[in-house]
Amino acid sequence: DTAVSQTPKYLVTQMGNDKSIKCEQNLGHDTMYWYKQDSKKFLKIMFSYNNKELIINETVPNRFSPKSPDKAHLNLHINSLELGDSAVYFCASSQDSGKLFFGSGTQLSVL
Amino acid sequence: QKEVEQDPGPLSVPEGAIVSLNCTYSNSAFQYFMWYRQYSRKGPELLMYTYSSGNKEDGRFTAQVDKSSKYISLFIRDSQPSDSATYLCAISKGMNRDDKIIFGKGTRLHILP
Repeated sequence: DTAVSQTPKYLVTQMGNDKSIKCEQNLGHDTMYWYKQDSKKFLKIMFSYNNKELIINETVPNRFSPKSPDKAHLNLHINSLELGDSAVYFCASSQDSGKLFFGSGTQLSVL
Repeated sequence: QKEVEQDPGPLSVPEGAIVSLNCTYSNSAFQYFMWYRQYSRKGPELLMYTYSSGNKEDGRFTAQVDKSSKYISLFIRDSQPSDSATYLCAISKGMNRDDKIIFGKGTRLHILP
C-alpha cells in the first residue's frame, strides 16, 4: 500500500492550460503539504494544510490553488500554466513536523 | 545569505569509504535538523532526525549537529553502491504546524563499486 500517492506521475501540457494534481495519504496524518522541486533539485514549500485548514501559504502566484476536501486529500490546481511552472511537484504528509512522508512526485512539463 | 547552504556535489567515493556530507545554516533559532535521502525519480525519504546539538547514530549513519558553528553533518560508514542518491539536509525552528521545514539544495553522492 502506497502511503502518499499522487497522480498523475507525468503531466505534459501547453502554456495557458489549466491542470490539477491529486494527492492522497493513508497514514492518518493531520498535515499535508505541496513542495516544488526545480531543475536544480531545490525543494521549496508551497502550501501546508492541517485538517483541511490552510496553514502555510508561501509566496506562490495565485494561479496555484490548493484544495483539501478532507484531511487525507490535498489537490493542487494550476491555472494558466507558464513555462516557469515546469518542475517536479511533491505532495507530503506528516504527523510530527519535520518527519515528512513524500509521494513519488509529479513531473510537470509546460511546452 | 540563504538560510541553509549545501554543496551540490557531485561527490564520488569508492565503495567502503566513509562519506561526510555537510550543511551550514544562518539562524541560531533553528532547533531541529534532518537528513533526507532522495533516489532518482523518487520522493525524499527521512533518514535522520535530531534535536539541538550532539550526535545520533542509526546503523551506518551518524548525524552530527554543532549549533555553535551552525554546522550539520551526515556520516555514512562502509558506503555501499545502494547509498548513491541525493542527500538533502533540512532545518526547522520548531514543531508547530506553522513552522516551515527548509531544505538544502542536496548533495549528489555516487558510490563507485
